[in-house]
Amino acid sequence: EVQLEESGGGLVNPGGSLRLSCAASGFDFSVYSMNWVRQAPGKGLEWVSCISSGSHYVYYADSVKGRFTISRDNAKNSLYLQMNSVRVEDTALYYCARGPRGIAVAASGYFDPWGQGTLVTVSS
Amino acid sequence: QSVLTQPPSVSGAPGQRVTISCTGSSSNIGARYDIHWYQQVPGTAPKLLIYENTNRPSGVPDRFSASKSGTSASLAITGLQAEDEADYYCQSFDNSLSGWVFGGGTKLTVL
Repeated sequence: EVQLEESGGGLVNPGGSLRLSCAASGFDFSVYSMNWVRQAPGKGLEWVSCISSGSHYVYYADSVKGRFTISRDNAKNSLYLQMNSVRVEDTALYYCARGPRGIAVAASGYFDPWGQGTLVTVSS
Repeated sequence: QSVLTQPPSVSGAPGQRVTISCTGSSSNIGARYDIHWYQQVPGTAPKLLIYENTNRPSGVPDRFSASKSGTSASLAITGLQAEDEADYYCQSFDNSLSGWVFGGGTKLTVL
């Protein structure tokens, strides 16, 4: 069974840092692009970042560019999101979601499956 | 303000048909990027409902269908059931933002 499990969320002060992890199982993690998508409380979905299968290509939403860093370890079947200089508006449930299979990232790709999410709360 | 525009809510009685629109622009849907749809039951993670404009993943009932034309797309649900009550999101790629975008979401209420 294909599974994604996020961890690392919690309460962090504005300006602080946090590292999210996503453990993948049930599929060949090394051949798929991976994404982080977040959902603020009571709000809609917002794509955050994407990384290609071999880490050659990374993409960020403007709202997190320069503050967040996506990475992966294919040997450990794991995806990461390093969150620095966090802001109150970064408060959200962060989902890990699998993208398309391939070396490059397909612009027309979709996200499937999704993990259950890890909650990040930025507050003093 | 989402790049893809959806109605905030729609409703219908059991057995009825409802549609949810998703309006974009020349930098996303109009640029021929595929549209995908997700269903999110409250308290759960989003689930892929329709991929590549019209395709249903295995396990999704054929009561769900979708179409795309120009700078818009729509999701149709026929034979509404109580279990269809959820939030629905459209998603595409936007080349002016160089990133993936979602609609604001539509809450479906089954009366």
